[in-house]
Amino acid sequence: AQSVTQLGSHVSVSEGALVLLRCNYSSSVPPYLFWYVQYPNQGLQLLLKYTTGATLVKGINGFEAEFKKSETSFHLTKPSAHMSDAAEYFCAVSEGGTSYGKLTFGQGTILTVHP
Amino acid sequence: SQTIHQWPATLVQPVGSPLSLECTVEGTSNPNLYWYRQAAGRGLQLLFYSVGIGQISSEVPQNLSASRPQDRQFILSSKKLLLSDSGFYLCAWSGGQGNGQPQHFGDGTRLSIL
Repeated sequence: AQSVTQLGSHVSVSEGALVLLRCNYSSSVPPYLFWYVQYPNQGLQLLLKYTTGATLVKGINGFEAEFKKSETSFHLTKPSAHMSDAAEYFCAVSEGGTSYGKLTFGQGTILTVHP
Repeated sequence: SQTIHQWPATLVQPVGSPLSLECTVEGTSNPNLYWYRQAAGRGLQLLFYSVGIGQISSEVPQNLSASRPQDRQFILSSKKLLLSDSGFYLCAWSGGQGNGQPQHFGDGTRLSIL
């Protein structure tokens, strides 16, 4: 069975500082990995995804994530935080195959950005 | 382009009343469809998924049911709501192939049970 652990339910940074949101996964097969962002009272928006190929993946809004198989990690980073980045972020894993695209989500990390 | 619609956006229902939430997808055919519930501070819980008309798989035992009467329509129902059914309900779709395809979410329905 696959699982996702997001380290830190709350992360607080200053505007302009580095954003680092941690995600570790477990999967019995090569995984597909995703990061989503959720603003209050809205659905989830896809930030980026890793399927195959390049392990450093760039997404929207200046975010990127690096797939590290040896560390079973897929941490999300952004060099300089903006106030508009304040939201909840979810890491998710899919095993593909006969999983019918089902995703297993982490518990989420709430990002707060201070002026 | 593909779009997903969920309604209503908010709903307040008394305990014991029925429920029907609807989700429709446009711009794609034969999508995989999903219903999630998001309770405060508890992440997303997959409730149901469907890979085709009339094909529903339940992930957790509960007071809810789902139906897919048309290719791009997914309905979440209950005959009698419980207080524990409160939460934020999200519908999502992914490409029919499934593998590595991201899910795309609707804007959700905030359900409050009184």
